[in-house]
Amino acid sequence: EAQVTQNPRYLITVTGKKLTVTCSQNMNHEYMSWYRQDPGLGLRQIYYSMNVEVTDKGDVPEGYKVSRKEKRNFPLILESPSPNQTSLYFCASSLGGTGSSTEAFFGQGTRLTVV
Amino acid sequence: SQQGEEDPQALSIQEGENATMNCSYKTSINNLQWYRQNSGRGLVHLILIRSNEREKHSGRLRVTLDTSKKSSSLLITASRAADTASYFCASRMDSSYKLIFGSGTRLLVRP
Repeated sequence: EAQVTQNPRYLITVTGKKLTVTCSQNMNHEYMSWYRQDPGLGLRQIYYSMNVEVTDKGDVPEGYKVSRKEKRNFPLILESPSPNQTSLYFCASSLGGTGSSTEAFFGQGTRLTVV
Repeated sequence: SQQGEEDPQALSIQEGENATMNCSYKTSINNLQWYRQNSGRGLVHLILIRSNEREKHSGRLRVTLDTSKKSSSLLITASRAADTASYFCASRMDSSYKLIFGSGTRLLVRP
């Protein structure tokens, strides 16, 4: 089954404790991205990757890091989480190509709380 | 902000009625997509309309696109309680991989 898998689904952590949210897709997609969703602000892109070893900042990259060492995996790293990073996070993947007429596939989300 | 706007923010209808949601975007696009999100879960792709298309149907869904007004609408006919969800439009520009999401419409279908 074609899918994007995020882990964990729920995470409560303390300020400053490094964490990683994993994302894996089994569709051989070139393009992967991370979004955060906050009430009243919709989905905002954090980082994206156009292929292995190619990543770039989205609209709200501060406080986040990513890596793309393999095509299928795109982990999101919070080196020193802060309470304003409490949010619902989504990983998404799609076939590559600028202006591509293809859909994005989303993971089930990771609800992160930083206390 | 690059984000699009959706209207209305919330919509409550009776089962069997039609639901119409509108989306506006800011730049010229290659395509516009609609997604559905059940509470707190991942987004699911519903339908995609290309910039050279004006209308598209999929089951009970009808999407229109007006590139001169930079707007799109999603019509769900004969709504069901299971259609209760948030609906988002997402536009993709010609020269970009990026999807720009609207703010979403929360649809409640009352049984």
